[in-house]
Amino acid sequence: QVQLQESGPGLVKPSETLSLTCTVSGASISNYYWSWIRQPPGKGPEFIGYIYPIGTTNYNPSLKSRVTISVDKSRNQFSLKLSSVTAADTAVYYCARLPFGGASLDYWGQGTLVTVSS
Amino acid sequence: QSILTQPPSVSGAPGQRVTISCTGSSSNIGADYDVHWYQQLPGTAPKLLIYGNSNRPSGVPDRFSGSKSGTSASLAITGLQAEDEADYYCQSYDSSLSGSGVFGGGTKLTVL
Repeated sequence: QVQLQESGPGLVKPSETLSLTCTVSGASISNYYWSWIRQPPGKGPEFIGYIYPIGTTNYNPSLKSRVTISVDKSRNQFSLKLSSVTAADTAVYYCARLPFGGASLDYWGQGTLVTVSS
Repeated sequence: QSILTQPPSVSGAPGQRVTISCTGSSSNIGADYDVHWYQQLPGTAPKLLIYGNSNRPSGVPDRFSGSKSGTSASLAITGLQAEDEADYYCQSYDSSLSGSGVFGGGTKLTVL
């Protein structure tokens, strides 16, 4: 059974970098696309971006200048870095799997709330 | 303002049929990108309900069905049950955003 688990700080200061890791079990990270999605409180989800482990990445243009998604094949993990955060980046952050590019998000992590506050 | 437009809310009595629309444009749904639907219960992650416009993952009841036509898509739920009360989101991709994924703003389904 495929499982994803987000981990990282729940509180980040304004102007700093938000860093999260998603640990994948039950599937090889090399064989699929992997995505980060966020959902601000009371709002709908928003794509942050996705990565295919051979090196392909796609980022939401509205976040592209601040986002990096990377993969650690040896640990079967992928990560998110979002720089220069503000209160508007406060959200529940989810990691999820795409079976292939352009596909649905078929497996999701439980999500982790990240609050940006001093 | 979401790229994909959904009604904020719909409602129906138990046993009834409801539909939720998802309206896009020529750069997303109309550009032949598939539409996917998710159900989100309070405090939980979205769950895949329909993929590839009209396909149900294993375990999703056949009361849920999806369709796509032109620049729009729809989710239909028949035989409404109390447990269907949730938020529903459509999702696709957009060529004007360099192929980035996009979600609808969501529809709150209330079972009366």
